Amino acid sequence: GQQVMQIPQYQHVQEGEDFTTYCNSSTTLSNIQWYKQRPGGHPVFLIQLVKSGEVKKQKRLTFQFGEAKKNSSLHITATQTTDVGTYFCAGRRVNYGQNFVFGPGTRLSVLP
Amino acid sequence: NAGVTQTPKFRVLKTGQSMTLLCAQDMNHEYMYWYRQDPGMGLRLIHYSVGEGTTAKGEVPDGYNVSRLKKQNFLLGLESAAPSQTSVYFCASQGQGRETQYFGPGTRLLVL
Repeated sequence: GQQVMQIPQYQHVQEGEDFTTYCNSSTTLSNIQWYKQRPGGHPVFLIQLVKSGEVKKQKRLTFQFGEAKKNSSLHITATQTTDVGTYFCAGRRVNYGQNFVFGPGTRLSVLP
Repeated sequence: NAGVTQTPKFRVLKTGQSMTLLCAQDMNHEYMYWYRQDPGMGLRLIHYSVGEGTTAKGEVPDGYNVSRLKKQNFLLGLESAAPSQTSVYFCASQGQGRETQYFGPGTRLLVL
């Protein structure tokens, strides 16, 4: 079964509203990455989180890694139409080598 | 730098036919990956390689074979295509000790 889950599956927001997607793993992660995929495009790396409780910001995007290193979130403040796409988390499981397991993604639509 | 390129971009196969997908990277990366992306499933790892001449199974390896004869190329083979292999295939590469996976543009495969 899916070892890394994401909610929600879809999110429609009005431009200017905030957006959050949550990523949950059934096992402890050594680190977690976030990717963005535009419609018809390929995944593009956004960020990696490594430390328990870590918070990183990229302009309007805020990424958090949970204290137990089993969950993470991506928050976008004041969405813009350029934020449209699917956001994936990918976790590297402890003691499972160096590969990442991807979540199913959250598809974000932004209405102008 | 072209980054990661994939050939072909799109292919239609009949059940039982064989084909090879080519991934090439010009960043001198050690690690290379093949993923498949299906609706609602995110990206699932098929096979990967940590260096020239080495390959390993990922999450969903059945029905696929790979080879890494040259560092810059990673080939994915389907010996006898099945409709269940209809998907979008992404190749990615990563430098040793680096956190970013760089994805190719994808190959859309339809098996009839």
